Amino acid sequence: GQQVQQSPASLVLQEGENAELQCNFSTSLNSMQWFYQRPEGSLVSLFYNPSGTKQSGRLTSTTVIKERRSSLHISSSQITDSGTYLCAIYGGSGNKLIFGTGTLLSVKP
Amino acid sequence: NAGVIQTPRHKVTGKGQEATLWCEPISGHSAVFWYRQTIVQGLEFLTYFRNQAPIDDSGMPKERFSAQMPNQSHSTLKIQSTQPQDSAVYLCASSWVSQNTLYFGAGTRLSVL
Repeated sequence: GQQVQQSPASLVLQEGENAELQCNFSTSLNSMQWFYQRPEGSLVSLFYNPSGTKQSGRLTSTTVIKERRSSLHISSSQITDSGTYLCAIYGGSGNKLIFGTGTLLSVKP
Repeated sequence: NAGVIQTPRHKVTGKGQEATLWCEPISGHSAVFWYRQTIVQGLEFLTYFRNQAPIDDSGMPKERFSAQMPNQSHSTLKIQSTQPQDSAVYLCASSWVSQNTLYFGAGTRLSVL
């Protein structure tokens, strides 16, 4: 089955609203990473977050390894936040990132 | 730092032709990865090099696909006898070491007609 599951699959916000994106993984975790994929396709690393909480501007990532989950909180959303948010894990003994299917975020004015 | 560079950005091939995709990782990065992205399958791992040596090619289709890293400054992904189902965005990524922050290139969009 799918090792990395993201929810919700899509989300529509009014500008200024907050969002909480979830990532759950079914395998043991070595580390994980959040990415933002722009509408034109380029991937940007947001957080490398093996555990705990990290913040960058309006974005906060929290990973709880024993619960096999990570969340990405976006505060005061802006139109330019629109795009796809992907989480990925380095699972088990693997060296490769395994990606979730993403959350498509659309922020409306 | 120019980031991970992939060329060409777009490639159109006819069914049965060969396609070669190029990747220049970030200077100093020892780990290089290839991924493929489609709407149906999402992001799929293809293969991984560390210090130019092939480490894991478990995601590579066994026929027609091959990857090489002849030196630390570039890697190639070659697809022989391309098929319409090979149409996808092929992404290259690099990191300082494995299990570290991964940086992606802009990708090569391959269209097989």
